[in-house]
Amino acid sequence: DSGVTQTPKHLITATGQRVTLRCSPRSGDLSVYWYQQSLDQGLQFLIQYYNGEERAKGNILERFSAQQFPDLHSELNLSSLELGDSALYFCASSVRTGTSSGNTIYFGEGSWLTVV
Amino acid sequence: ILNVEQSPQSLHVQEGDSTNFTCSFPSSNFYALHWYRWETAKSPEALFVMTLNGDEKKKGRISATLNTKEGYSYLYIKGSQPEDSATYLCASLKMEYGNKLVFGAGTILRVKS
Repeated sequence: DSGVTQTPKHLITATGQRVTLRCSPRSGDLSVYWYQQSLDQGLQFLIQYYNGEERAKGNILERFSAQQFPDLHSELNLSSLELGDSALYFCASSVRTGTSSGNTIYFGEGSWLTVV
Repeated sequence: ILNVEQSPQSLHVQEGDSTNFTCSFPSSNFYALHWYRWETAKSPEALFVMTLNGDEKKKGRISATLNTKEGYSYLYIKGSQPEDSATYLCASLKMEYGNKLVFGAGTILRVKS
């Protein structure tokens, strides 16, 4: 158990809909990351938050947004869903960001999203 | 090398065999190299974080080495067991403003008993 909790584990929704994926980082971790694993690609970095502020952005679509709340949990919002958004979405957390390259980044079990 | 590349793509070995995989990454602006072990329906498990050229790390029967000058890392498994069957991922850390792990496609290991 990595200590990173993601909900829901599985989600099936229709095209055009909006979903929210939730992540609770490990206790004490200030950084939260979101990654997408689709069938035809490896793990792709989407976005990082550190202590409530956006820190780094990757290949995140404009239809997607995220935030990190004062209690450090994070939500990834996916809207106007398309079939191609079906993927496994991982959340990860680490203690710090940027200044310390040796930190371990711990992953949750992921949220499986299926868009039909 | 522009991306993180892993080889082989998959590997089938017999129980008791020792095996190794390769991770190649951009050697410029190197910060850290992460190794993960990922079993289906579980979270990727952090194995090693390596930052220094020449680093060698060990965890049980699994060890890893790092060459930052030439941009590669090797992961070794000694005496493979069926429970070692998993996908092994490496990722290079990019530190621009914030942290970003750039992952390779992984090496799928299957150990037959």
